[in-house]
Parts: sequence; C-alpha cells; structure tokens
Amino acid sequence: EPEVTQTPSHQVTQMGQEVILRCVPISNHLYFYWYRQILGQKVEFLVSFYNNEISEKSEIFDDQFSVERPDGSNFTLKIRSTKLEDSAMYFCASSLRDPSAQYFGPGTRLTVT
Amino acid sequence: AQSVTQLDSHVSVSEGTPVLLRCNYSSSYSPSLFWYVQHPNKGLQLLLKYTSAATLVKGINGFEAEFKKSETSFHLTKPSAHMSDAAEYFCVVSASPRSQGNLIFGKGTKLSVKP
Repeated sequence: EPEVTQTPSHQVTQMGQEVILRCVPISNHLYFYWYRQILGQKVEFLVSFYNNEISEKSEIFDDQFSVERPDGSNFTLKIRSTKLEDSAMYFCASSLRDPSAQYFGPGTRLTVT
Repeated sequence: AQSVTQLDSHVSVSEGTPVLLRCNYSSSYSPSLFWYVQHPNKGLQLLLKYTSAATLVKGINGFEAEFKKSETSFHLTKPSAHMSDAAEYFCVVSASPRSQGNLIFGKGTKLSVKP
C-alpha cells in the first residue's frame, strides 16, 4: 500500500538555525499538508498546499515558515530561524482529491536546543 | 469555532471485550468528523469518516462510530478488542465546510489491550 514518507525521523538543531523537513507524498495525490504536535498537546494544522500554492494556513504558519514542492515528488517545510518552541513532531499528509481523506506520514521529531 | 473533546486520555480493555472511545464535538455547521489511529512509530491512519450521509459509519478493522447530533457525540466502538488495536486514537473535525484540509484534532485517547 502506498505510504507518505518523511525524513529525517529525528532532527536536532540549534536555535536560530534553518531546518528543512522533507516529505514524499503518495505519488498521485494532489493536496499536501503539514501539521505539528508539540509534546503533550494536540495535533495542529499548519498549512495546505494545492496546485503549487498555499491554499490555507493557520496562525502558527508565520513568516518563519515556508513550503515548497521543488520537484514532482518532494514536499518540504522550511523553518527559517528555529526557536525553542518549534520543538515538536511534524506530520506531513497528502490526499488525492478529497481534502478530508488525508494520509499521514510517520512524522519528524524536531528538537531545537 | 469547531472543536472536539476526547473524554478519556487512556482506556484499558481486555482482549475480546468491547471498546468505547468517547468524543464530543462542537460545531457551528454540519460537521465532517473522523477518527484516526496512530500505532507506535507509524503515521496517522484514517479509520472512518462521517460526512452527513448515514449516521452509523463503518470503518476499517471492525471499528464503527455513530454520529448523534442531539448529543453532539461521535463515539468510536468495536465489539471485540484485539491486541493489535492497542494504539492512540484521535477524534477529528474539519475546520469548516470550505476548508482545504484544515483538520482539528482532539488530544487523543490511548487504548491499551490486556491479554
């Protein structure tokens, strides 16, 4: 069964550094998403992406964040200058046509020190 | 604003006994509701979804959920628990009818299954 994959599984970075989290969505999917889950808190929506542009974003997704689909397979989340509070599990998801039927990756745990 | 509340952070059942994971929602419109499951080191997997068709929704692995508007509930049930059901379960609501995939998650319920 096709899966969403994410790399790396765990990323440690220093405060102020840029980090790029990578995702490979399911190959024929059209919609792409990022969510995050701070330890002990709910999974929170960050952004959705369709047709090479952001279609919706949350208040969390400020100027420090950006997303890109640099080629036909990868979908990346960049955090420009990481803060301690960016430490979280970041989940990528994709869906074919129905944005409500999302397939999630296993997550990347980001630790900012 | 839309929200979901999962009433139990941890539920423990014996193998072969019924499972009930409770979820209440708050929504200003007719909601789309989902249950996702996350096994250790795996991604979130869609178990089932309700989108204003039948109020009793059947999902994968023998799970089902019933949408009760009068009680604003969407509880997840399974008649007989299996060891492989041990995981974390999330009740989820779509942020709005026009949402492009913005899903709002509950805090999760960890299900333990004892032999």
